[in-house]
Amino acid sequence: GPKVLQIPSHQIIDMGQMVTLNCDPVSNHLYFYWYKQILGQQMEFLVNFYNGKVMEKSKLFKDQFSVERPDGSYFTLKIQPTALEDSAVYFCASSFLGDTQYFGPGTRLLVL
Amino acid sequence: GDSVTQTEGPVTVSESESLIINCTYSATSIAYPNLFWYVRYPGEGLQLLLKVITAGQKGSSRGFEATYNKETTSFHLQKASVQESDSAVYYCALAFITGNTGKLIFGLGTTLQVQP
Repeated sequence: GPKVLQIPSHQIIDMGQMVTLNCDPVSNHLYFYWYKQILGQQMEFLVNFYNGKVMEKSKLFKDQFSVERPDGSYFTLKIQPTALEDSAVYFCASSFLGDTQYFGPGTRLLVL
Repeated sequence: GDSVTQTEGPVTVSESESLIINCTYSATSIAYPNLFWYVRYPGEGLQLLLKVITAGQKGSSRGFEATYNKETTSFHLQKASVQESDSAVYYCALAFITGNTGKLIFGLGTTLQVQP
């Protein structure tokens, strides 16, 4: 099936620093998403992005978070500054029509 | 609010036995959400297993089936005869698709272990 890639697979960072998580979505997809999963908890929606704009975000999408996809390259999630509670696995997803979402393998972020 | 509850794992069955993983949902934002089962095999990313967007319909894939039951707000996953290769984590999810937005709400996941 369609493949979504995420880079890096693991990231360790000191609290207060900036981190950028990269997602390479399926090439013809138009809708992009980030989800967050803390160990032992459900995967939770953060944000979706279409036509260069954030369409919807959850309360987990703090002011320190931002997303962009400059010139059709990677879809990125930036956290600046990071906090301890940002430690989680972050999953990117993409969709062609906004219905079925295809997921990447996740980036495991550890904030120390 | 909107939520998904599924069988707490791990679930252990022997090869060739039947399987059912329960999933019930609560949808207050929209009457008839789209329903999904996703699967994560060891060492791999989340994959779509099956989806149903119409109440009363059944979805099937790789021998798995699930029926969208709006009366009981359930979407149980079943398989008549499991194989060792079915060992994975299974996630039930619902989605609200409105206009240009859509988000998935996931259950906690059910780990299935199939013994040879």
